[in-house]
Amino acid sequence: DAGITQSPRHKVTETGTPVTLRCHQTENHRYMYWYRQDPGHGLRLIHYSYGVKDTDKGEVSDGYSVSRSKTEDFLLTLESATSSQTSVYFCAISAQDRNSPLHFGNGTRLTVT
Amino acid sequence: KNEVEQSPQNLTAQEGEFITINCSYSVGISALHWLQQHPGGGIVSLFMLSSGKKKHGRLIATINIQEKHSSLHITASHPRDSAVYICAAHSGGGADGLTFGKGTHLIIQP
Repeated sequence: DAGITQSPRHKVTETGTPVTLRCHQTENHRYMYWYRQDPGHGLRLIHYSYGVKDTDKGEVSDGYSVSRSKTEDFLLTLESATSSQTSVYFCAISAQDRNSPLHFGNGTRLTVT
Repeated sequence: KNEVEQSPQNLTAQEGEFITINCSYSVGISALHWLQQHPGGGIVSLFMLSSGKKKHGRLIATINIQEKHSSLHITASHPRDSAVYICAAHSGGGADGLTFGKGTHLIIQP
């Protein structure tokens, strides 16, 4: 199995508080992604990174920011959490931007009350 | 934007049955992924294919580029195959070019 670790696995937070989720990989893959998974929707891309300090927005980036200061770590921050950001968040990695297998972390279940 | 549709949404079958899950997409793609997600669990990549057919154990994935359609087959299904199966189509562009289907929830009863 690809070495991807997400932390925390579960988080409950209050509306308006900042939250940071961490994704750590040991595969030295260039591409890292943050997705959210909600009932009735397919996985949706929040942000992705194509290298250290190189990031770009995905389909549902409003309210989220990311940082990648090292190849192995990709952080997702909710600056001021809202109830609409209650979701399961998945980190994924790939060696190339296309035609390359995706490897997913185990997910972080975030509840914003 | 690519539209990815899966059918059926839900499927319940008896152990041993041959299972087919379908995925159709609206625009040309460079690759299609099949993923598996067990209840409460992470997501595992099963196949990535751009043409023809791939097989791994009891799982077979096929793709017809002209018809913009892919199928995932499970032979001799087993209760441990119970999971959500997700297809995702990469329609060009860069790393943000992947569109996911909503998944097919499969239950295999003993």
